[in-house]
Amino acid sequence: DAGITQSPRYKITETGRQVTLMCHQTWSHSYMFWYRQDLGHGLRLIYYSAAADITDKGEVPDGYVVSRSKTENFPLTLESATRSQTSVYFCASSAVGNYEQYFGPGTRLTVT
Amino acid sequence: AQSVTQLGSHVSVSEGALVLLRCNYSSSVPPYLFWYVQYPNQGLQLLLKYTTGATLVKGINGFEAEFKKSETSFHLTKPSAHMSDAAEYFCAVSDAGGTSYGKLTFGQGTILTVHP
Repeated sequence: DAGITQSPRYKITETGRQVTLMCHQTWSHSYMFWYRQDLGHGLRLIYYSAAADITDKGEVPDGYVVSRSKTENFPLTLESATRSQTSVYFCASSAVGNYEQYFGPGTRLTVT
Repeated sequence: AQSVTQLGSHVSVSEGALVLLRCNYSSSVPPYLFWYVQYPNQGLQLLLKYTTGATLVKGINGFEAEFKKSETSFHLTKPSAHMSDAAEYFCAVSDAGGTSYGKLTFGQGTILTVHP
């Protein structure tokens, strides 16, 4: 099906473990984004990407790593998970010149 | 630098009553403004957007918003609330007026409750 998907939808991990959240879109959008959603903060930008192999930091990048080897995929890795990274993570994409972002269903991550 | 303030983290209305969700923004470039809705355990869905042109914009599900530059506001309204409108609403400002990426800065969100 066309659209933007995220996997897994739910994840529980332990402090210190590495976790990778996947994001895949079928529209060939150039721009992709990762946000985290926390109560009282709305959504905050973690990283974004303008194209394959072009990424940059957002508002809250510490503790996260991204890569984008293919246009359609934009994985987010927590190198050593901490409890403060317990959150809901959303991936989004948009086309060049169209600033409307399309959001995935989210991944709820719990770090114990 | 950009910021968004949504006045009221919770708004409660009766079915059939006017819905008014307030949003004020700050932007150093011409703002592109958005309202998104989030239903429980779902992603965000675009309700409406302002980029340029007409300052009163209409969106899905009967919602509309008016861009008021002098007041730096982009309040969301709906004349008659429906039970299905119960959700969390986010106002966002984009830096698209200054760069080509369109990064979004979100407000804290407003939870709308609709009573029968």
